[in-house]
Amino acid sequence: GEDVEQSLFLSVREGDSSVINCTYTDSSSTYLYWYKQEPGAGLQLLTYIFSNMDMKQDQRLTVLLNKKDKHLSLRIADTQTGDSAIYFCAVIPGYSTLTFGKGTMLLVSP
Amino acid sequence: DTGVSQNPRHKITKRGQNVTFRCDPISEHNRLYWYRQTLGQGPEFLTYFQNEAQLEKSRLLSDRFSAERPKGSFSTLEIQRTEQGDSAMYLCASSLETTDTQYFGPGTRLTVL
Repeated sequence: GEDVEQSLFLSVREGDSSVINCTYTDSSSTYLYWYKQEPGAGLQLLTYIFSNMDMKQDQRLTVLLNKKDKHLSLRIADTQTGDSAIYFCAVIPGYSTLTFGKGTMLLVSP
Repeated sequence: DTGVSQNPRHKITKRGQNVTFRCDPISEHNRLYWYRQTLGQGPEFLTYFQNEAQLEKSRLLSDRFSAERPKGSFSTLEIQRTEQGDSAMYLCASSLETTDTQYFGPGTRLTVL
């Protein structure tokens, strides 16, 4: 089945850029997603990219997609303490249900 | 548009009891999904509905789990004879059939003692 891998932890200082990486095995996903989860809360859809795009920019967020290497990244510019959360990469491998990575915990220090 | 809502937000029960959770999707969304998330893991798919039809069930959904969406609007997830291993966050999401982009509710955290 589909496998989605993410690094588990990232620590940055406020004002720096954060880059969260994700690799996946199934290339049939039409869309690829990034979700954010704060402690004890549900998942907030941050952004997504269509599989025929290489890059998508949305305010402080930039998504890069390398289909050849099956690699997805999320860059957060000017990271703020309010960005501290767990970030999940998710794909839809050929049917309608999401497959998630284990999440990357982003810690932003002042 | 109030987003996806779930009730209750927290449920504590004793092993062997039955529990039922409710999900109200975004009003115009005809697809509804249930996921389970345990500590330190990403959400795992359980089942999904298109309108009132249950189209797919995961192997994770044992015989003790049942989900319904009788009128194609809200859905319920029931767990019978709960076990400690059922302790998790149960997440509901909804989407339009045409986009597959899923919006999640706040979740129901179940603790089985």
